Amino acid sequence: QKEVEQNSGPLSVPEGAIASLNCTYSDRGSQSFFWYRQYSGKSPELIMFIYSNGDKEDGRFTAQLNKASQYVSLLIRDSQPSDSATYLCAVFPKLIFGTGTRLQVFP
Amino acid sequence: DTGVSQNPRHKITKRGQNVTFRCDPISEHNRLYWYRQTLGQGPEFLTYFQNEAQLEKSRLLSDRFSAERPKGSFSTLEIQRTEQGDSAMYLCASSSRLGSSYNEQFFGPGTRLTVL
Repeated sequence: QKEVEQNSGPLSVPEGAIASLNCTYSDRGSQSFFWYRQYSGKSPELIMFIYSNGDKEDGRFTAQLNKASQYVSLLIRDSQPSDSATYLCAVFPKLIFGTGTRLQVFP
Repeated sequence: DTGVSQNPRHKITKRGQNVTFRCDPISEHNRLYWYRQTLGQGPEFLTYFQNEAQLEKSRLLSDRFSAERPKGSFSTLEIQRTEQGDSAMYLCASSSRLGSSYNEQFFGPGTRLTVL
């Protein structure tokens, strides 16, 4: 079992829809969870982080964490074609990234 | 530009040659990280520094790899006797305790290494 698992996708959603990206992790000692966006050929850029169980909202993005289920998700509301990218889940303090989910938002 | 910078952006070398990459972190950041990323994979942790001290090294970092951060500012990553399997994007990131934690890392543009 990989320490951080993500569905590689692609996840295809129409413009304006909600995109839901999921990540599971195996280490119960994990303390903080990060979502990065990576456009093709570019480096990752931080979108959001979450430490506590529950939801955290930032603009069109909502991160959800459930430590009991070892599950973290990212919701993108009102998806735009410019959101098309690979979304990486990262788990700290072990500095482990998932393989990423490729999101495609079509007009 | 006050972000993380990396040089060179691209490097093509022949198998067996040595290569060195440089990373300049965000100026007030005292932690610096090196990652390697191959196509279709997430970044793989290689090593990190707090100031000039190298605090952790991944098992992925073979004896051919060495990293330094001599004055706690910029860092170099050297790969000796390169192999074709070393072809990857090498990413540098930095972070600081000025935020809520050390964990908010900011990445540089990366150095793409191609070993022929």
